[in-house]
Amino acid sequence: QKEVEQNSGPLSVPEGAIASLNCTYSDRGSQSFFWYRQYSGKSPELIMSIYSNGDKEDGRFTAQLNKASQYVSLLIRDSQPSDSATYLCAVPTAGGTSYGKLTFGQGTILTVHP
Amino acid sequence: EAGVAQSPRYKIIEKRQSVAFWCNPISGHATLYWYQQILGQGPKLLIQFQNNGVVDDSQLPKDRFSAERLKGVDSTLKIQPAKLEDSAVYLCASTGGTYNSPLHFGNGTRLTVT
Repeated sequence: QKEVEQNSGPLSVPEGAIASLNCTYSDRGSQSFFWYRQYSGKSPELIMSIYSNGDKEDGRFTAQLNKASQYVSLLIRDSQPSDSATYLCAVPTAGGTSYGKLTFGQGTILTVHP
Repeated sequence: EAGVAQSPRYKIIEKRQSVAFWCNPISGHATLYWYQQILGQGPKLLIQFQNNGVVDDSQLPKDRFSAERLKGVDSTLKIQPAKLEDSAVYLCASTGGTYNSPLHFGNGTRLTVT
């Protein structure tokens, strides 16, 4: 079983809709979870981090964490064409000493069409 | 603050040739990482430096890959000899001095091995 799994998509949603991206992880000891956005040909950039169960909201983005079920999700409300990108879920690698040593999922490609 | 600098942006070589990539992290960032991102996959950690020492190189194919960070600032990643499967984007990243410092990626070097 992969440590971090995502549906690779592509996920296509119309402009203005809610995009829902999901991620499951295998290490029950994971305490921190990150969502990175990567535009085509660009490097990943951190958009959300979540550390405790429940929801964390930042503008149009909401991260949801359920440790019992070992999944974390990212909701994008009022999706815009500019949100079209690959979204990467990441957790600190087991035994790692910092948030820089991350294990990434394979990413979900999101396309928002006008 | 200036971001993580990498060069070159693109490199095309033939298999069995050698290649080197250069990275200069964000000023003051003690921890530097090299990640490999194969097309369609998430980034995978190759090596982590803390100042000029290696913290983790367990995922580095040491028969062909080498990396150094001699003065604790910039770093070089080398591949010799290259194989077709080394075609990927090589991302350098850095973090600040605390456990929860976020990861900042450079723009990456896209390597094509023919």
